[in-house]
Order: sequence, then C-alpha cells, then structure tokens
Amino acid sequence: GENVEQHPSTLSVQEGDSAVIKCTYSDSASNYFPWYKQELGKGPQLIIDIRSNVGEKKDQRIAVTLNKTAKHFSLHITETQPEDSAVYFCAASIGDYKLSFGAGTTVTVRA
Amino acid sequence: GAGVSQTPSNKVTEKGKYVELRCDPISGHTALYWYRQSLGQGPEFLIYFQGTGAADDSGLPNDRFFAVRPEGSVSTLKIQRTERGDSAVYLCASSSTGYDTQYFGPGTRLTVL
Repeated sequence: GENVEQHPSTLSVQEGDSAVIKCTYSDSASNYFPWYKQELGKGPQLIIDIRSNVGEKKDQRIAVTLNKTAKHFSLHITETQPEDSAVYFCAASIGDYKLSFGAGTTVTVRA
Repeated sequence: GAGVSQTPSNKVTEKGKYVELRCDPISGHTALYWYRQSLGQGPEFLIYFQGTGAADDSGLPNDRFFAVRPEGSVSTLKIQRTERGDSAVYLCASSSTGYDTQYFGPGTRLTVL
C-alpha cells in the first residue's frame, strides 16, 4: 500500500531556532506534496505545498524541499515563534486526487 | 469567504446506533473528500466525490459506512450500527477540482460509548 513515513514524531525547539521535519514516500508516481498544520480541536490547514517539477519552494519562514530520486521531502521552519507550536502533517498524492498522510509531528516552540 | 463547515462538532452515541455527519464544502468546489483521523494519527482517506457521484469509496472500512452528495454540494456521511472502534474525528475537505488543494473543515468528533 501507499506509505508516508514522517520523522520525528515530536520536536521541541527554542524560539528563534529552526525546525525540520522529514517525510519519505513509497509511490514513485506521487507528484504532489502538501504540508498541513493542525491546531488542537481544528482541522488541518494547508501551509505550503510542492509539485514534483519543483525541487524547492519557500514562503516567508517556511520552505519545503523535494528529492524525487530518494523519495523524500522536508519542511523547514526558520525563526520559530510560539504560534508555530502545532501538529504538522506531510502528505503525498496517490493517483490524481487521493492524499496519503504521515502520522504527524508535534512541534513545541519554547519561549 | 466561508470555508468548509461540518456539523455537529461533537457527537456522542451509543454502540449500535445510527449517526449522520454533515459537510458543507466551499461554494463552487466540485470535489469533496471524507477522511477519518484517529488519535495521534494523520487523516485516512475514506471517500471522494466528484459532483454528485462517489468516484472512489475504496477507503470506507465496511458496509456500515455510506456517504451521499445528492445535489453536488452538501454531503452526509452515514454510519450504521456504530461500534466503539468508529470513535474518531471525521474530517471533510473540498477542492475546486479533483486535482487542486484540499481545504479541510474543523471535523466532527464522534464518540461511541
């Protein structure tokens, strides 16, 4: 089956430091890789996404990199702030519309 | 504009009962998805609608689960003879087409006692 593995499961960083979350996927046909942020009691919110024809994408303090050969992609958050504390999920497309999600990373930013 | 909305936000029921969960997608979005999220896990795909038809229901765990979208907008997820293992957060998402960004609702937390 389609598998997305996400590491680490928890991450604690000092405010102002960087946070990196890594995901691997198994379906070589996957071509769309979104990242979602989920706060307690809320639904996942898209924060950034990347398609397979691009190796890197950046949006202010958030960046995503993709290595299709190795089948892994990463989320980088720089200059972390307390409001970055949440659960982050990576996902990979399966076919044209289905998403397979990782198990999530709980990020805690210490003030 | 309004995002995806789901009702109820919480539902507590007894084992064996029938429940309906409702999803209102973003206006104009033709694609609608249901996911289930267990505690400490990522969302798991249940079913995908394109318009009124269920284009892919391969994620529904068994025949106790059924979903409809009769007019191509609002969708209802129906669970018969609920079991304790059905307890989870049920998320709905919509996208403009089947190939675009999926926007999630806040979810319905289902608890089966």
